[in-house]
Amino acid sequence: QVQLQESGPGLVKPSGTLSLTCAVSGGSISTIHWWTWVRQPPEKGLEWIGEIHHRGGANYSPTLKSRVTISLDKSKNQFSLNLTSATAADTAVYFCARKSSYSYGYDYWGQGVLVTVSS
Amino acid sequence: QSVLTQPPSVSGAPGQRVTISCTGSSSNIGAGYDVLWYQQLPGTAPKFLIYANTNRPSGVPDRFSGSKSGTSASLAITGLQAEDEADYYCQSYDSSLSGYVFGTGTKVTVL
Repeated sequence: QVQLQESGPGLVKPSGTLSLTCAVSGGSISTIHWWTWVRQPPEKGLEWIGEIHHRGGANYSPTLKSRVTISLDKSKNQFSLNLTSATAADTAVYFCARKSSYSYGYDYWGQGVLVTVSS
Repeated sequence: QSVLTQPPSVSGAPGQRVTISCTGSSSNIGAGYDVLWYQQLPGTAPKFLIYANTNRPSGVPDRFSGSKSGTSASLAITGLQAEDEADYYCQSYDSSLSGYVFGTGTKVTVL
């Protein structure tokens, strides 16, 4: 059973960089799957941030593309999110997820981590 | 900001049938991109409910069904149960945004 676990600081200062890691267990990150970040501001809906594949491909939301980098570490079986120039609007629960092999839906999710951007 | 519009809330009594609409446009649902659905219980991660418009992943009860027509899609829940009280989101791909998009979300209340 694949499990994903997000980790990282729960508080980021405005203009700082939001950095999160998603550890994958129960399966290799070097598979056919794409690995994804999704966020959810408090009391709001889901927003797709971007995705990465172990063969090097990455895709980002056009609204966040200038500030987002997603990377993957095969040796640690994890992938990461960096979001620069953070503002209060980036305050959200951040989820990592695995895209299924048979559709572009997400079949496994982490529990999510709340990141607050505040001084 | 979402390009997929859902009703904010729907409600029904136990045992009833409720439907949730997801309205898009010619650059997403209307362009033929698949629609997926998720259920999100309070304080938890979304759960994959429907893929490729009408298909259920293994383990999802057949009380949940999806459909798609034109620029819209729908999720139906039959035999509504108390445990179905949650937020529901649709998802698709948008060619003009070159990315995946989620619906605005619908809160289902079991009366």
